[in-house]
Amino acid sequence: QKEVEQNSGPLSVPEGAIASLNCTYSDRGSQSFFWYRQYSGKSPELIMFIYSNGDKEDGRFTAQLNKASQYVSLLIRDSQPSDSATYLCAVTLGYSSASKIIFGSGTRLSIRP
Amino acid sequence: NAGVMQNPRHLVRRRGQEARLRCSPMKGHSHVYWYRQLPEEGLKFMVYLQKENIIDESGMPKERFSAEFPKEGPSILRIQQVVRGDSAAYFCASSGGTANTGELFFGEGSRLTVL
Repeated sequence: QKEVEQNSGPLSVPEGAIASLNCTYSDRGSQSFFWYRQYSGKSPELIMFIYSNGDKEDGRFTAQLNKASQYVSLLIRDSQPSDSATYLCAVTLGYSSASKIIFGSGTRLSIRP
Repeated sequence: NAGVMQNPRHLVRRRGQEARLRCSPMKGHSHVYWYRQLPEEGLKFMVYLQKENIIDESGMPKERFSAEFPKEGPSILRIQQVVRGDSAAYFCASSGGTANTGELFFGEGSRLTVL
């Protein structure tokens, strides 16, 4: 089992709709969870981080965490063509503050006009 | 520019040569991570370092690869006797400022091509 799993996509969503991206992780000790966006040929940039169970909202983005199910998701409301990118889920492994951060393989999102 | 600086941005090597990739973390950051990315794939963890210490190198191949983060100067990822399979983008990221949320700040990457 991979440490962090995502559907590779591509996920195609019409403009203005909600895009839902999912991620599961294997380490029950994981404490911190991140969503990064990566445009083709560019470096990843952080969209959101979440530490506690539940929802966290920031503008059009909502991160959802369920530690019991080892599941984290990202919702993008009112999707825009500029949201077309690869979305990477990242998780810290273990309890230590000196824990490595592991990325999933990413989900390619395409917003169609 | 106080961001993460990587150089060179592009590096071409012939099989058997050495590649050295450098990374200067963001000012105030003491943690450096190196990741490798193949086209259309995710980021593969290689190594996690703090100043003068390797914290976790579980993602580093056992041979030919090494990393350091000296007290002074940038972090270095060194690949000896490169092979074509080493061709990839190598990203460095830093974290660990005074408001450490665990967020990684990435450099623009070093793209290695092995001929």
